[in-house]
Parts: sequence; structure tokens; C-alpha cells
Amino acid sequence: GAVVSQHPSWVICKSGTSVKIECRSLDFQATTMFWYRQFPKQSLMLMATSNEGSKATYEQGVEKDKFLINHASLTLSTLTVTSAHPEDSSFYICSASQAGGPGELFFGEGSRLTVL
Amino acid sequence: AQSVTQLGSHVSVSEGALVLLRCNYSSSVPPYLFWYVQYPNQGLQLLLKYTSAATLVKGINGFEAEFKKSETSFHLTKPSAHMSDAAEYFCAVSPTGNQFYFGTGTSLTVIP
Repeated sequence: GAVVSQHPSWVICKSGTSVKIECRSLDFQATTMFWYRQFPKQSLMLMATSNEGSKATYEQGVEKDKFLINHASLTLSTLTVTSAHPEDSSFYICSASQAGGPGELFFGEGSRLTVL
Repeated sequence: AQSVTQLGSHVSVSEGALVLLRCNYSSSVPPYLFWYVQYPNQGLQLLLKYTSAATLVKGINGFEAEFKKSETSFHLTKPSAHMSDAAEYFCAVSPTGNQFYFGTGTSLTVIP
């Protein structure tokens, strides 16, 4: 099956710094990538949908200036948490769908962000 | 509007017993349906998917699910639970293949 890789898998940073998380589709072209946030023992909360070469579509309540998403190529999307604060600590998961459907999501391994 | 309901946030079964995880959906069009499994500190792994072919779908690790349009359900089953099945399970619906809606998840505990 298709492989999606996230990096880093775990990052610890100081409050006020910015952190970038990468999501790569290793063996397919991902026309659409999704970014999720997951709190402990809860479901995935969709943050934004990004299509290659265009601006991301953010879900209601997600600050687009706080969570910058870039989908510069068909194999790479990045999520940058700007001026991180402890409340941004969470598990962030990306997923990608292949061009042509029928719509299966391939998930990255997730990135755990801890803001001190 | 599309939504997914997973009844029972926690399910416990004995090792060797039947596993039944419930999922009901609402969708304005015949959807694609998925079950994903998540182990601690990992991403989601696809167990199986329904894409309008056979209504009984077989997945990995002995899991299967049956699409019942009349009941708008897509329950996940496994005849005999194994300790390694303990994980979080998510049902998801995709009406068009481009947007995905997840249930709140069911945590499966397997008792030895």
C-alpha cells in the first residue's frame, strides 16, 4: 500500500518558538493532504485540507495564522505551528489521498508536539 | 450532512470471544466507508473499506464488516479476539472520496 511518512515523530520545543512538521507521500502523488489534531483518547479533529499548489482550507475554529500549511509539491505538505504555546501540545497526524480515488486515506505515523 | 456514530467508546471482550464494534452513518449519497485501527502513539492503519462492491468486506487481521444500507450501518466484527487486537478503532465515511468524517472512536480491550 501507499506510504505516508511524517517527520519528526516527536518534538519538544520552548514556548514562543515555531515548529515545522513534514508529511511526505513516499510512493504516490498526493493531490490532497489532510492535517488532523488528536487529543488523548479522542478522535481526530480535522484542521485543514490542502491541495497541491493552492491555499489550504481551514476548518472552523482553526487559526490559519497559527497553523501554517504549505503543500508545495505532490509529495510534500508541511504544518508549521507558529509561536507555539503549551496548549498547542498535541498529536498531529497527516493523511493523503491519491489522485483518482476511490478515496482511501493513507496516514502518517503522527507527530507528537510538546511545548514547554 | 454527513456524520458517523460509534456506539460504545469502550468495549471489552475476552480473548477468543467475538468482537463487535458498531458504526452507523448518515449520508446524503451512498458513501465510501472505512474502518481504521490506531495503536498507541501511531497513525491510523486501514483495516478495510467499502466502495460499493460486495456488502461484506474482509479486511486485515481477520476483521470484516458488513454494509447494511437499510440500517445505515457498517459494523466491524472479528470471530475471535486476540490480545494484539487491543487498540482504538475508528469508523469513517466519505461521501465523495474527497472529504472524510470520523467517528469518535472505540477503545477495544481484550481480557486474557
